[in-house]
Amino acid sequence: DIQLTQSPSFLSASVGDRVTITCRASQDISGFLAWYQQKPGKAPKLLIYGASTLQSVVPLRFSGSGSGTEFTLTISSLQPEDFATYYCQQVNNYPLTFGGGTKVEIK
Amino acid sequence: QVQLVESGGDMGQPGRSLRLSCAASGFTFSRYSMHWVRQAPGKGLEWVAVISFDGSNEHYAESLKGRFTISRDNSKNTVYLQMNSLRTEDTAVYYCARDRSYYDRTGYNVWGQGTLVTVSS
Repeated sequence: DIQLTQSPSFLSASVGDRVTITCRASQDISGFLAWYQQKPGKAPKLLIYGASTLQSVVPLRFSGSGSGTEFTLTISSLQPEDFATYYCQQVNNYPLTFGGGTKVEIK
Repeated sequence: QVQLVESGGDMGQPGRSLRLSCAASGFTFSRYSMHWVRQAPGKGLEWVAVISFDGSNEHYAESLKGRFTISRDNSKNTVYLQMNSLRTEDTAVYYCARDRSYYDRTGYNVWGQGTLVTVSS
């Protein structure tokens, strides 16, 4: 199975901060990576697919980059509604796998 | 609108079986692979299984092979998850999900609301 390691697992930040979350894959997954945002009690929401393509209606402050084994999700200017948990998922090979999550909290 | 609605979640003892259902609407169900994803209380997301658009192929998380079976009925626009020999560690919210693309794997832009399975003695 392909393991995904997210870092950090917890992040404390202020409104307006630039935030970067990293996802490392245990083997090459090309660009087959998705990012999700999840708020408590809700289903996850797709933010980015193909490592860098923004899903429709997702704000432009979200961006993704990377290929192979190292990927990043960046929020250019954190907004109050962005405080949530973020997950990466590799969709290159079955079994599909998720990263452990990064919880972004208010400083 | 595009919608997935799960049902069948319940509370019960270890060793029992349970079947979850996920009813789809608002899109051509028979064109899409369908997935199940679960989330234990306070934990991260765990991919469970996928079934191809026509039901001819299935894949499972390694840890669940042999106990869980995914199936679908395209005439009813419904995907199922049969869970046998349930363990306490299967306690989770179970989501069904659909990829944004019917011809490639990209990510899930459609999720159900989730159904809670609790396994406890």
